[in-house]
Amino acid sequence: EADIYQTPRYLVIGTGKKITLECSQTMGHDKMYWYQQDPGMELHLIHYSYGVNSTEKGDLSSESTVSRIRTEHFPLTLESARPSHTSQYLCASSDPLSADTQYFGPGTRLTVL
Amino acid sequence: RKEVEQDPGPFNVPEGATVAFNCTYSNSASQSFFWYRQDCRKEPKLLMSVYSSGNEDGRFTAQLNRASQYISLLIRDSKLSDSATYLCVGLNYGQNFVFGPGTRLSVLP
Repeated sequence: EADIYQTPRYLVIGTGKKITLECSQTMGHDKMYWYQQDPGMELHLIHYSYGVNSTEKGDLSSESTVSRIRTEHFPLTLESARPSHTSQYLCASSDPLSADTQYFGPGTRLTVL
Repeated sequence: RKEVEQDPGPFNVPEGATVAFNCTYSNSASQSFFWYRQDCRKEPKLLMSVYSSGNEDGRFTAQLNRASQYISLLIRDSKLSDSATYLCVGLNYGQNFVFGPGTRLSVLP
C-alpha cells in the first residue's frame, strides 16, 4: 500500500469560500502531482512539483495554487471556490528510483454549492 | 490528437473470457509505459509496468511494440473483480506522466 494521504476525503462548501486540500506522503518522493478528474472522465494534470520550492502548472488550466515547502507536503488551495470547481482531486507522488511508479492518494471529492 | 489513445470501450465480457486492450502513443520519445486500474470513484492503482520484452503477471500480460508505438494488455480467465477502468500511461523522460482516457471493462456473471 502507498503511504500517501489526502484530507478531507469529501468536502461540500459554499461559493466564495477559500479551501485547502491537503496531501502528504511519507515515502520521501521528490515528485508530486495534482490531478483533477470528473466522474467517468480522464485525469488532467493541474500542478506538479519536482521537489521543495518547485511548483509548475500542468496541462489543464486551473485557478488553484500549490506550495511545496516540505518534501512530504503538497497542499492545493482555491482562494474562492465556485461550482465549476466541483470535481475529484487526486494527489500522487513518484520516485524515479522505483521505475517512476506513480502512487495515488484516495482523492478529495469536492462539491461547491 | 491525444498523446495516448485507447480503445473507447466499454467492454462487456462474460466471466472466464479473455479480453485484450489496445493503446497507442504518438510521442516516440516516450520511455516508460504502465497499465493502471481505476475502480469506480477510487484512485488509480498500478497494475503493471510494461517492458519492451513483454511481461506477465498471473492472468495479465502486457506487450510493448516501440516500432508501432503500440501497447497491449491481455487479461485471461477474467473475473468479476476485474471490472474496472484500465488506464494506459506513458512517461516521457524528464517530463510528466500522460494518461490515456481509459477503457472500461465489465465482467458479467
